[in-house]
Amino acid sequence: SYELTQPPSVSVSPGQTARITCSGDALPKQYAYWYQQKPGQAPVLVIYKDSERPSGIPERFSGSSSGTTVTLTISGVQAEDEADYYCLSADSSGTYVVFGGGTKLTVL
Amino acid sequence: QVQLVQSGSELKKPGASVKVSCKASGYTFTSYAMNWVRQAPGQGLEWMGWINTNTGNPTYAQGFTGRFVFSLDTSVSTAYLQISSLKAEDTAVYYCARGSDGSGKKFDYWGQGTLVTVSS
Repeated sequence: SYELTQPPSVSVSPGQTARITCSGDALPKQYAYWYQQKPGQAPVLVIYKDSERPSGIPERFSGSSSGTTVTLTISGVQAEDEADYYCLSADSSGTYVVFGGGTKLTVL
Repeated sequence: QVQLVQSGSELKKPGASVKVSCKASGYTFTSYAMNWVRQAPGQGLEWMGWINTNTGNPTYAQGFTGRFVFSLDTSVSTAYLQISSLKAEDTAVYYCARGSDGSGKKFDYWGQGTLVTVSS
């Protein structure tokens, strides 16, 4: 079955830039989506179609894609950005969706 | 405004069944896909599948065939997840999530989650 690979954890100091990667063989063909989840809350969409930002999401959140890796970048990280981040995409057929394992962002 | 409101927490014994509801409001229910996502305690998100709210056709992810059934009642803009022959490992929070854009993978609105606990 198809898998997306994320680092388990990323740590940054406030004001620095956090980069969270997601790797998968089908990513050159399929868009990636990023979700933020804080403890006890439902996930929130922060990036769609690799690099589009939904309304209401701060400009410090951005996404990019290169080959089999997509990256969520959070510039000028704030304490409130501490959360779990999940990438989502589909297999090469586009039929089956999969989440990455998630990355815990810690703001030091 | 768009809202997805799920039914409340459930405590079930092994072997029983549970039906979780997800009531949509603020948009045309049949115009958007509905996805189901599982999150076991302390674990990541797991896509269970989706249902085409226009045709009622479900698609199940690997590992969610047989005991899991997605259904609809479009007259009340509600999607359902039924799980039969419950096992302890089914203990999790279950989310519904609206799928928008052409691919249906843009989960732009989520329900608040329903905790299903399976314990004897």
